[in-house]
Amino acid sequence: DVKVTQSSRYLVKRTGEKVFLECVQDMDHENMFWYRQDPGLGLRLIYFSYDVKMKEKGDIPEGYSVSREKKERFSLILESASTNQTSMYLCASTTGGPWDVTEAFFGQGTRLTVV
Amino acid sequence: DQQVKQNSPSLSVQEGRISILNCDYTNSMFDYFLWYKKYPAEGPTFLISISSIKDKNEDGRFTVFLNKSAKHLSLHIVPSQPGDSAVYFCAASAQGGSEKLVFGKGMKLTVNP
Repeated sequence: DVKVTQSSRYLVKRTGEKVFLECVQDMDHENMFWYRQDPGLGLRLIYFSYDVKMKEKGDIPEGYSVSREKKERFSLILESASTNQTSMYLCASTTGGPWDVTEAFFGQGTRLTVV
Repeated sequence: DQQVKQNSPSLSVQEGRISILNCDYTNSMFDYFLWYKKYPAEGPTFLISISSIKDKNEDGRFTVFLNKSAKHLSLHIVPSQPGDSAVYFCAASAQGGSEKLVFGKGMKLTVNP
């Protein structure tokens, strides 16, 4: 079974802090994604990566950056956390072409609260 | 501009009855559609998909119907079970799935025992 693991289930950070959200997948998937989920807004794509050291902006990249130094790990970085970044963050991975419509395997989510 | 719309935020049904979850899309380039289910505190999991070359796809209790002319798809769950209570996301993609997935806002289904 594919496993996508996010390093933290719950995080509380202060405004202005630099925050790292880590995601690791164990099935050698090429493609990894970061979403945020907010009530009434559904899932929105922040960034994705279809290869090591490659990254593409999603729909809402402002205030975020990402890092993919190794195939299995995709990090989401909040350079200076703000309260409007309080959200549930979901990491996902897929195999094949960048958006091959196979299953997307999601991590369990990280609930980030910025105070 | 929301390209994938789930206009009803919630639905409540009795156990054993049919649940019908609806999804509309505006982008005529979409040709592949998926449903995901999400339990609280968990990531979404893939449920069922349909390509635009079909108008129906079944998997056990779950059936997805696609009406291309109306740009509408629906997920039918028969019979509904309490364990089906979750948030359901509709998603769409273009060019046979080579374009990024666009998600709806989700719909909370509650199945009452």
